[in-house]
Amino acid sequence: QKEVEQNSGPLSVPEGAIASLNCTYSDRGSQSFFWYRQYSGKSPELIMFIYSNGDKEDGRFTAQLNKASQYVSLLIRDSQPSDSATYLCAVRGMKGGSYIPTFGRGTSLIVHP
Amino acid sequence: KAGVTQTPRYLIKTRGQQVTLSCSPISGHRSVSWYQQTPGQGLQFLFEYFSETQRNKGNFPGRFSGRQFSNSRSEMNVSTLELGDSALYLCASSPSQGRGNEQYFGPGTRLTVT
Repeated sequence: QKEVEQNSGPLSVPEGAIASLNCTYSDRGSQSFFWYRQYSGKSPELIMFIYSNGDKEDGRFTAQLNKASQYVSLLIRDSQPSDSATYLCAVRGMKGGSYIPTFGRGTSLIVHP
Repeated sequence: KAGVTQTPRYLIKTRGQQVTLSCSPISGHRSVSWYQQTPGQGLQFLFEYFSETQRNKGNFPGRFSGRQFSNSRSEMNVSTLELGDSALYLCASSPSQGRGNEQYFGPGTRLTVT
């Protein structure tokens, strides 16, 4: 079982719709969770992070964390074509005395006009 | 603030050679991590430095090493290059260690081994 799993997609949504991206993780001791956006040929860009169960909103983005079910999701409201990218989920947990991030393989999102 | 900078941006080496990559973190950031990104394996953690000390290391062979200087700048070295080392090497900086360790990535160094 992979430590951090994401559906590779592509997830295709129309402009203006809500895009829902999901991520599951296997380490129950994970403590912090991050979403990154990566455009083709570019480096990952931090969108937001969440530590506690529940929702965290930042502009058009909402991260949702459910530690009991071991999943974290990212909702993108009013999706725009410029949101088309690969979204990486990262989970950070304690390993060897430090907090180590493990990344999922990413979900490709396509927002079509 | 200026972002994370990495040099060089592109590099072509032959098998058996060694290479050194450089990373300058965001001003004030003390933690630097290195990652390897390939189409086949995705983004994989190499190691993390904080206050000139390696805090943790990923599952890579000893040919991969790094160090951090007192000004938080970091270098990564790969010796005896193999074809499979061809990848995008990303450096990420963070304000500190610990749970609140959101990372900001540099543009990467594209290494091609022939």
